[in-house]
Amino acid sequence: AQTVTQSQPEMSVQEAETVTLSCTYDTSESDYYLFWYKQPPSRQMILVIRQEAYKQQNATENRFSVNFQKAAKSFSLKISDSQLGDAAMYFCAYRGPDSNYQLIWGAGTKLIIKP
Amino acid sequence: GAVVSQHPSRVICKSGTSVKIECRSLDFQATTMFWYRQFPKQSLMLMATSNEGSKATYEQGVEKDKFLINHASLTLSTLTVTSAHPEDSSFYICSAGDRGFETQYFGPGTRLLVL
Repeated sequence: AQTVTQSQPEMSVQEAETVTLSCTYDTSESDYYLFWYKQPPSRQMILVIRQEAYKQQNATENRFSVNFQKAAKSFSLKISDSQLGDAAMYFCAYRGPDSNYQLIWGAGTKLIIKP
Repeated sequence: GAVVSQHPSRVICKSGTSVKIECRSLDFQATTMFWYRQFPKQSLMLMATSNEGSKATYEQGVEKDKFLINHASLTLSTLTVTSAHPEDSSFYICSAGDRGFETQYFGPGTRLLVL
């Protein structure tokens, strides 16, 4: 069965600095999708970034980028120039190729931004 | 694009009453919708998957007679918590997926408090 592991329950970073959140996963599939979602205090889940496993190029969205290491089954999220609005829970999620969109979730990492 | 609404955002009810939560995809047709439950400081727990025009698929341990799901159209799914009890108090989140997106988009959630 697929699993997703986020080993950092909490991370803190100084405003304007860079922080990296870790995520590892386990799967026997070769084609799949990986996601990072953000859940601020409002509890609205917001898609941050998405990566297709068949793409070698790491996905980027403005200040957010991923380091996708397929062989190592690692999918870390880098946030550059951290802003106070980035404070939230961050969840890593996996979707298999034929899983009817079902997501396997990590436990989440709470990101604290220090002003 | 890809906006999902959820109503109500918050509901307080007496024990024994039923509560209906609506989830709507506003700008796309959602062939698949998901219902999650989230306990404080935890990740999302999938309750059921609903496909338009067919019966919902419930996860193990979720009572289908307790949590009634109807996905009658491509833009609306409802979750009815029947005969609610205090232990049903939680945060319920829906999400929707479109075959073209390969991604789940989330509603803002409903906070249910059963007295």
